[in-house]
Amino acid sequence: AQSVTQLDSQVPVFEEAPVELRCNYSSSVSVYLFWYVQYPNQGLQLLLKYLSGSTLVKGINGFEAEFNKSQTSFHLRKPSVHISDTAEYFCAVRDLYGGATNKLIFGTGTLLAVQP
Amino acid sequence: GAVVSQHPSRVICKSGTSVKIECRSLDFQATTMFWYRQFPKQSLMLMATSNEGSKATYEQGVEKDKFLINHASLTLSTLTVTSAHPEDSSFYICSANEVMNTEAFFGQGTRLTVV
Repeated sequence: AQSVTQLDSQVPVFEEAPVELRCNYSSSVSVYLFWYVQYPNQGLQLLLKYLSGSTLVKGINGFEAEFNKSQTSFHLRKPSVHISDTAEYFCAVRDLYGGATNKLIFGTGTLLAVQP
Repeated sequence: GAVVSQHPSRVICKSGTSVKIECRSLDFQATTMFWYRQFPKQSLMLMATSNEGSKATYEQGVEKDKFLINHASLTLSTLTVTSAHPEDSSFYICSANEVMNTEAFFGQGTRLTVV
């Protein structure tokens, strides 16, 4: 069965410092990969997604992620974080074949805590 | 991107009563919607997959008689928590996929508190 691992439950970082949030997935089949952000008491907002093509994906709010098939990883990065980036970040995977009914599998989430 | 509206955003109910949560796709048709439950500081747990015009598919361990799902149209799915108890208190989130679209769009979530 498909699974997603986010090793870091919490990542504290100072404002304007770079950050990397790690994500690994288990499937050996072709997948779609996503990063979502969740602010307190809100739903999820898509940051970026990898479907195919270039392994470096750029998203909103200055975030980017790199797909590494050999390492089955999809780490999220930002070169300089802001206080407003403080939120919970979820990595998710979906199998390539299955259409709209195919469900997302989420990691356990990483709390990015940006300190002044 | 497409918009999914979830209502209500917050509800408090008495133990033993039922609560209905609505999930609407505002500008697209969604043949499939998903319902998740999220406990504090935890990830999203998929409860069920809601299919328009047919019965929902529940994940293992989720009581289908407790969490009734109805997907009567291509833009609306509802989750009814029946005979709610304090342990049902949680954050419930829905999502919907456009047909042939790889991206899932999420509602704002509903904070249910059972007292």
